[in-house]
Amino acid sequence: DQQVKQNSPSLSVQEGRISILNCDYTNSMFDYFLWYKKYPAEGPTFLISISSIKDKNEDGRFTVFLNKSAKHLSLHIVPSQPGDSAVYFCAASVRGSQGNLIFGKGTKLSVKP
Amino acid sequence: KAGVTQTPRYLIKTRGQQVTLSCSPISGHRSVSWYQQTPGQGLQFLFEYFSETQRNKGNFPGRFSGRQFSNSRSEMNVSTLELGDSALYLCASERSPGGTEAFFGQGTRLTVV
Repeated sequence: DQQVKQNSPSLSVQEGRISILNCDYTNSMFDYFLWYKKYPAEGPTFLISISSIKDKNEDGRFTVFLNKSAKHLSLHIVPSQPGDSAVYFCAASVRGSQGNLIFGKGTKLSVKP
Repeated sequence: KAGVTQTPRYLIKTRGQQVTLSCSPISGHRSVSWYQQTPGQGLQFLFEYFSETQRNKGNFPGRFSGRQFSNSRSEMNVSTLELGDSALYLCASERSPGGTEAFFGQGTRLTVV
């Protein structure tokens, strides 16, 4: 049973526009959420995270929104750039008790010039 | 500051053989986790080590094992390799277990033929 779901395998966006990547989770014990970006043949690179006590966290062009009641989070990239083209993974954890990350299957973002 | 280093980067083995992969965490990081990435399943948690002790284990058969040394370096071993073990194996390190700031290495691409 998938605890973290990214229902869109791919997303195509025009350069300069907003990219919105979505993620849903089922385990209400998750209290920390992260987004990673991954290029082929490389390891995931940490982008941004959010604690369950917040509903928004912003870092430059990247903003993560958390809706706990809907068990949904989203990553907004504004403005999108061709270099943002990669696979984006959403991950969740129960801080401290387990420590490991539960990942979604990823969304491949293509930003077209 | 050096990142997480995984060796080797690429490996080809035949069915039935065994393999050992190595991970050197970021200096000062004492927690090491291993993940398997396959096209169909995304990133799946294998196990986590902290202070030379396995803290957590994912849902993988006993053929997958690991250990951590006193210098925090970690190895994972897969015995009696199967074709389905072909994957990208990723190592992540954190200062301490918590699932909040995991930094990944570039991975070891294992191909079983």
